[in-house]
Amino acid sequence: DSGVTQTPKHLITATGQRVTLRCSPRSGDLSVYWYQQSLDQGLQFLIQYYNGEERAKGNILERFSAQQFPDLHSELNLSSLELGDSALYFCASSEGGSEQFFGPGTRLTVL
Amino acid sequence: GENVEQHPSTLSVQEGDSAVIKCTYSDSASNYFPWYKQELGKRPQLIIDIRSNVGEKKDQRIAVTLNKTAKHFSLHITETQPEDSAVYFCAAIYAVGGSQGNLIFGKGTKLSVKP
Repeated sequence: DSGVTQTPKHLITATGQRVTLRCSPRSGDLSVYWYQQSLDQGLQFLIQYYNGEERAKGNILERFSAQQFPDLHSELNLSSLELGDSALYFCASSEGGSEQFFGPGTRLTVL
Repeated sequence: GENVEQHPSTLSVQEGDSAVIKCTYSDSASNYFPWYKQELGKRPQLIIDIRSNVGEKKDQRIAVTLNKTAKHFSLHITETQPEDSAVYFCAAIYAVGGSQGNLIFGKGTKLSVKP
């Protein structure tokens, strides 16, 4: 157990819908990262937050947005969902060093 | 930006043999190189990492080497066991201060260890 939690574990929804994925980092970690992993694909970096502020953006679509709250948990919002958005979404957290610890992921299925 | 290439994409070895996975990176400023193991449907787990001021690091059957001049790093697993079967990802990061950079991952190597 990495100490990073994600909810829900599974999410099934329809095209055009909007969903919110939640991540709670390890106690004391200020940074939260979001990654997308499609079937048989690698890990694509989406976005990073550090102590409530956006720090880096990767290949995140405009339909996707995220935020980090004062208690340091983070939410990833996915809207106007398409079939191709079906994937595993991981968040990871880190303290002040470089090590990132991943949560168990949310499996999103768009039908 | 950083780009990480990983080879091979699949690797099959007999139990007890060694396995080597290689990665190259493009940004000479990258200074932290972790390796993650991911079992099917599970989270990536950090198994070993190396920083740019070190050339080699070992942890039991796992070792990582770094060649900064050539900009490549490798994962070595000795005495492989069936439970080593998984997808392995290398990554590179340019980490400065408290905000860190973001990890750029290789595309992964599916390792199969045959009993």
